Amino acid sequence: GAGVSQSPSNKVTEKGKDVELRCDPISGHTALYWYRQSLGQGLEFLIYFQGNSAPDKSGLPSDRFSAERTGGSVSTLTIQRTQQEDSAVYLCASSLGTSADTQYFGPGTRLTVL
Amino acid sequence: AQSVTQLDSQVPVFEEAPVELRCNYSSSVSVYLFWYVQYPNQGLQLLLKYLSGSTLVKGINGFEAEFNKSQTSFHLRKPSVHISDTAEYFCAVTTQKLIFGAGTRLAVHP
Repeated sequence: GAGVSQSPSNKVTEKGKDVELRCDPISGHTALYWYRQSLGQGLEFLIYFQGNSAPDKSGLPSDRFSAERTGGSVSTLTIQRTQQEDSAVYLCASSLGTSADTQYFGPGTRLTVL
Repeated sequence: AQSVTQLDSQVPVFEEAPVELRCNYSSSVSVYLFWYVQYPNQGLQLLLKYLSGSTLVKGINGFEAEFNKSQTSFHLRKPSVHISDTAEYFCAVTTQKLIFGAGTRLAVHP
């Protein structure tokens, strides 16, 4: 079966522009996570969706970052007014839902802000 | 709050030698523990996880890890490494979201 997919694989944008990153989780997975991997900060949690519950946004670094999950499946991470420090690889993961369940990661979107 | 410390940022080792990658965690509540591997230019892949029960956990590719509650450690070991084990290894704890360590880069030399 298909794994977690993310698009685009690479995104280059200019400072101040908005970007949207997409994640398609594994079918049947109720939990979806966004993480960020950067040289300076390592792997950081951003946001977590579980079913119809309110998302856990505790990892979002600023109000320029937002995410939504439509129909309990596809998710979009939006970064408004991008800054150079937003350059990183954005990783999406999905799982069956409990904290004991394995999170399966997508290949990531590499964002470069010029 | 939870945190993870990986004590070595880089570990060079010769092929067929044993290796241990160290991981210590801090948590005020019970957590689950994971090791993920990231091969060059690839995504994160689960190696193994500890949920409960036996403290020795076996994973893929011949890796194993031992959970030690008194020392709050979850070290990863392999008795004989291969060139193909060259990768970055991440220890993580979770109560739902994963909290990762900084990673250990394992470099296996011929």
